[in-house]
Amino acid sequence: GDSVTQMEGPVTLSEEAFLTINCTYTATGYPSLFWYVQYPGEGLQLLLKATKADDKGSNKGFEATYRKETTSFHLEKGSVQVSDSAVYFCALRRAGNMLTFGGGTRLMVKP
Amino acid sequence: DAGVIQSPRHEVTEMGQEVTLRCKPISGHDYLFWYRQTMMRGLELLIYFNNNVPIDDSGMPEDRFSAKMPNASFSTLKIQPSEPRDSAVYFCASSLGGNTETQYFGPGTRLLVL
Repeated sequence: GDSVTQMEGPVTLSEEAFLTINCTYTATGYPSLFWYVQYPGEGLQLLLKATKADDKGSNKGFEATYRKETTSFHLEKGSVQVSDSAVYFCALRRAGNMLTFGGGTRLMVKP
Repeated sequence: DAGVIQSPRHEVTEMGQEVTLRCKPISGHDYLFWYRQTMMRGLELLIYFNNNVPIDDSGMPEDRFSAKMPNASFSTLKIQPSEPRDSAVYFCASSLGGNTETQYFGPGTRLLVL
């Protein structure tokens, strides 16, 4: 079945450091891919998405490119802030708008 | 828009008791999803509805779990009887449309079964 694998956290960075959170997927066909972010005590919020191969999703300085050849959708940001501290989830959409999530990666940014 | 509303935000109950979680989706959204989040299993889809009709409940763990959507603006997830292993955060999400649209999540209900 479809699955999503994320790098395990926590990822601890200093402010202004470069961020990469790896995400790979297994799926039939070419599913849409998403990154969601969960701040402490809150529900998930969509961060960015890509619907087809080579698409780049971007939002709030975060980017991710849909790589069909490597079945990956890695999340990157050039300069993280303390306010980016959260849990990040990679997900793919299956038929019927069902989402399959990765295990989540906790990011901690220190001043 | 108020977003997806869930209640209660926190629930503490004893094993064997009935628990009912509530969700109000964003007005106009025709898809509603119930998820469970635990440290061990991550975020799992339990069931989803389209136009108030349950479409896929394959993620519902046991017969102790049931979900209803009597109208477009309200859904419940019930656990009867509850067990300690049901302790988790339960999220409701809604979306407009099936194949291309974003799911919007509520703040979740944190359930603790003692």
